[in-house]
Amino acid sequence: GAGVSQSPRYKVAKRGQDVALRCDPISGHVSLFWYQQALGQGPEFLTYFQNEAQLDKSGLPSDRFFAERPEGSVSTLKIQRTQQEDSAVYLCASLHVNTEAFFGQGTRLTVV
Amino acid sequence: DAKTTQPPSMDCAEGRAANLPCNHSTISGNEYVYWYRQIHSQGPQYIIHGLKNNETNEMASLIITEDRKSSTLILPHATLRDTAVYYCIVTRSLHNTDKLIFGTGTRLQVFP
Repeated sequence: GAGVSQSPRYKVAKRGQDVALRCDPISGHVSLFWYQQALGQGPEFLTYFQNEAQLDKSGLPSDRFFAERPEGSVSTLKIQRTQQEDSAVYLCASLHVNTEAFFGQGTRLTVV
Repeated sequence: DAKTTQPPSMDCAEGRAANLPCNHSTISGNEYVYWYRQIHSQGPQYIIHGLKNNETNEMASLIITEDRKSSTLILPHATLRDTAVYYCIVTRSLHNTDKLIFGTGTRLQVFP
């Protein structure tokens, strides 16, 4: 498809389990963002990549959160030892020069 | 980035114009006003953006006051599919790949 694709769409994890969330940006888009959206709130910035370089990770809430984009295309957000407060929708967005941000549908993570 | 203030919710009758206000009194001279919306269970979708002049596209119109301290998003003929949360965001420019800072937005309910 032509849009940003995220997988899985839904993920249920037991507390303490590690999870990996995938984002396939629009082909050729240089910039990639991850956001976290808690229930009833607006999305909050987590981290930003330009190609393979992670230029801003100031929004990552703890060292349990790690993101990578090794070849400047697909990105993975990994959460280690998940906690209940990690339950949220994780959104990925990509953009190219002179375009707006295109968002995926998100991954809904539920930690039980 | 400047903060924005939006009413938490609004109603609009189908076929009527929906006027969504946003205050951004601390906006800087090089900051743009962007509007995104988020339909239930989807990622945010770009609507429109502007700097000083009023803007119109196929989705909406954006009216920015002369002092740029507030703006209004206008959906000229609201439909049921326009029911969503609307976010007003101020940012230097997506061309600079600045992260978007979402607030809690305005939940617009369009009724028959």
